[in-house]
Amino acid sequence: KQEVTQIPAALSVPEGENLVLNCSFTDSAIYNLQWFRQDPGKGLTSLLLIQSSQREQTSGRLNASLDKSSGRSTLYIAASQPGDSATYLCALEDNTDKLIFGTGTRLQVFP
Amino acid sequence: DTEVTQTPKHLVMGMTNKKSLKCEQHMGHRAMYWYKQKAKKPPELMFVYSYEKLSINESVPSRFSPECPNSSLLNLHLHALQPEDSALYLCASSRVRGLQGYTFGSGTRLTVV
Repeated sequence: KQEVTQIPAALSVPEGENLVLNCSFTDSAIYNLQWFRQDPGKGLTSLLLIQSSQREQTSGRLNASLDKSSGRSTLYIAASQPGDSATYLCALEDNTDKLIFGTGTRLQVFP
Repeated sequence: DTEVTQTPKHLVMGMTNKKSLKCEQHMGHRAMYWYKQKAKKPPELMFVYSYEKLSINESVPSRFSPECPNSSLLNLHLHALQPEDSALYLCASSRVRGLQGYTFGSGTRLTVV
């Protein structure tokens, strides 16, 4: 059974720091991996999607990488801002046609 | 249109009420999903519709009844809910096998009193 874990569970940093959020999974047979952002009480906003054949994707200050062989993905946030404060979820789709979520990282960026 | 629209945004209902949650997308996605999310937990899959047919039911109690009238609409009918069913209910859509990822709605915050 696929298990997805995110480390750290919570993170509090001053504005301007570069951050790395980690996502690990136990079964490398995946179709894609998606990073989401969720503000309190709100829906999920898609940040980046990495197909299984890709190694990384970039959007603005965000960069996500995927290493299927080691069962890991990282989300890099450059020059963090208070507006980046949210919960970040990684999720992967496997051959069960389900989206399996990680445990989440709650990020707080203070001025 | 690149959005999934959910209505209502907030719903308070009694344990004897019947209500429905609605979800709509016009991206041509043929897979639609209902998720339930409790506070500080990741979303949990409830139902999957693929080409308007129910393909996955994660052993959800029968007081939750999904319906997919057409490829753009997904409903979740609620009846005789319990207070522990209070949660954020999220709808999502994707192309089958999610080659372009999933798109989520903003959710319905449900409170059962």
